[in-house]
Amino acid sequence: DTEVTQTPKHLVMGMTNKKSLKCEQHMGHRAMYWYKQKAKKPPELMFVYSYEKLSINESVPSRFSPECPNSSLLNLHLHALQPEDSALYLCASSRQDSTEAFFGQGTRLTVV
Amino acid sequence: GEDVEQSLFLSVREGDSSVINCTYTDSSSTYLYWYKQEPGAGLQLLTYIFSNMDMKQDQRLTVLLNKKDKHLSLRIADTQTGDSAIYFCAETAGAGSYQLTFGKGTKLSVIP
Repeated sequence: DTEVTQTPKHLVMGMTNKKSLKCEQHMGHRAMYWYKQKAKKPPELMFVYSYEKLSINESVPSRFSPECPNSSLLNLHLHALQPEDSALYLCASSRQDSTEAFFGQGTRLTVV
Repeated sequence: GEDVEQSLFLSVREGDSSVINCTYTDSSSTYLYWYKQEPGAGLQLLTYIFSNMDMKQDQRLTVLLNKKDKHLSLRIADTQTGDSAIYFCAETAGAGSYQLTFGKGTKLSVIP
């Protein structure tokens, strides 16, 4: 199994809603990542978890709240988002000693 | 600081070879990656090269690295319409660094 699975594939939410993005991998990877990708731009790193602990937060606003409940799951909790937060949110994972990252298909988020 | 540059567009005829170029500035880069992104999809890791190598071949893909000039290229032989996608070059400082720095991506269009 070399897949990173993200759900949902598409999400439309209002600015007052609370929603969560989910990511799952069963490759035994102990590093997991959230990236944000705007249209026609490269992915930008948001968060890195290493052994279920947050190791990098790239100055992401607090309306994005990551959570790593176990070594296979990574969540991104969303609250009070702005329309400019609309983007493709990508999850990735890698072995602890590698940056060979495997990406999921992403969640296309639209904030209205 | 780190910077990765790519040309934005490339158009080739089906059956021809495609060459996508990338330059980077971080001389401490130890791994360089090529990712493929099809419309509306996540990133697919195509191949990578370690900085002490100058060439890597994998079926239709050939990666060339000129470390002196900090220049990386991806050659796709016998380009097919299914190769149409955006190709991202990415670098990292290596094991222990979770930071992948992406180029802006090259959109490859294959003309039947």
